Amino acid sequence: NAGVTQTPKFRVLKTGQSMTLLCAQDMNHEYMYWYRQDPGMGLRLIHYSVGEGTTAKGEVPDGYNVSRLKKQNFLLGLESAAPSQTSVYFCASSYHRTGAVGNTIYFGEGSWLTVV
Amino acid sequence: KQEVTQIPAALSVPEGENLVLNCSFTDSAIYNLQWFRQDPGKGLTSLLLIQSSQREQTSGRLNASLDKSSGRSTLYIAASQPGDSATYLCAAYSGGGADGLTFGKGTHLIIQP
Repeated sequence: NAGVTQTPKFRVLKTGQSMTLLCAQDMNHEYMYWYRQDPGMGLRLIHYSVGEGTTAKGEVPDGYNVSRLKKQNFLLGLESAAPSQTSVYFCASSYHRTGAVGNTIYFGEGSWLTVV
Repeated sequence: KQEVTQIPAALSVPEGENLVLNCSFTDSAIYNLQWFRQDPGKGLTSLLLIQSSQREQTSGRLNASLDKSSGRSTLYIAASQPGDSATYLCAAYSGGGADGLTFGKGTHLIIQP
């Protein structure tokens, strides 16, 4: 099993450009998440999805859009990239919601995005 | 709003020592608390998950405890090995709004051979 796969792994964007990060999971998970990790800060939730066709805002959703057209894929889009969006982005997935007993969350290896 | 703090930010110990990593949270009404390991350039790997009704969880040389009343969790690593070198993150789930975790900034652990 591949688990959670993120593409691309590295990307450099110019301010104002757009791009999409793809997260794919092969574990038939219902719940998928996008986090960002910045130096000196903990991971912060951007958006999440509780099932195919659903999306919801997390702690820091501004400047990002998401889509979950297929259960196995969760896309994170930057419509007009800004230097403040330079970060490492992590996708995660789980079968149950975060608070469920015994629920295990699986993370991808991250996507390094630099906006210049 | 839940806030999670980890102390120390960095720790370096000789191989073989037992060590404790600390995590504190401001809102004691948590559903669960998780400990993760993050290796450089890699994603997070779940180590231990403690539900709010539990006091501790064990996996091999790792033991995590949870004290909701004091807002604290500890991760105990026994007989540390160089392969334990990594950043350890704790994260709390408090329910309510978004279905996601609140993370601490992590403790960067180095085990000296």
